Amino acid sequence: QSVLTQPPSVSGAPGQSVSISCSGSSANVQGNVVNWYQQIPGGAPRLLIYSNNKRPSGVPDRFSGSKSGITASLAISGLQSEDEADYFCAARDDRLKGVVFGGGTKVTVL
Amino acid sequence: EVRLVETGGGLVQPGGSLRLSCEGSEFPFSSYEMNWVRQAPGKGLEWISYISSSGGVKNYADSVKGRFTISRDNAKSALYLEMNSLRVEDSAVYFCARDSGLLIDAFNLWGQGTKVTVSS
Repeated sequence: QSVLTQPPSVSGAPGQSVSISCSGSSANVQGNVVNWYQQIPGGAPRLLIYSNNKRPSGVPDRFSGSKSGITASLAISGLQSEDEADYFCAARDDRLKGVVFGGGTKVTVL
Repeated sequence: EVRLVETGGGLVQPGGSLRLSCEGSEFPFSSYEMNWVRQAPGKGLEWISYISSSGGVKNYADSVKGRFTISRDNAKSALYLEMNSLRVEDSAVYFCARDSGLLIDAFNLWGQGTKVTVSS
């Protein structure tokens, strides 16, 4: 059972938008920044969003992040087939004194 | 090419030991904090250990505390994870991950992972 809660799956047609939620607590999401990772099946994770809403170089602006209170969100607009992957949120947990991840959300492009 | 490469995974019996290595290349390894993250088959990511750039500060997840030891050799651009008293539930792909250096616990470089299977 993951400390951060994500929906197991979301789906959308090409061109549509999807959103993934990440729910935590005052010890993690609310009090610290949230980072998002993308993992293509069989591959290594890749940093997608950092500090709640910043994109590393090379990440398309179709990906955006936000945070309000104990919930963070990742939005993907203009869904493309290459966006099919697992997405994980992560944040420092002040009680556990380490990084905690969400359980992951599988994005399917219909 | 900037990269991390893990080695050392394999099949080990419950109660056994294994040492994982992670070698960094094409970046100033000694300047970066490093982590180990694992992923059990079909499961999500689990952070398990952190080490500061100098090696002086180490943190562990409760699930591995007292059994796993993280270390580094900056002269060799290498990160290690010594795993003892291994359990079936430690079976996973183990990734080393470089901290971004922005003090936000973001991991901006990952290795390809090395698979550890604990089974009799």
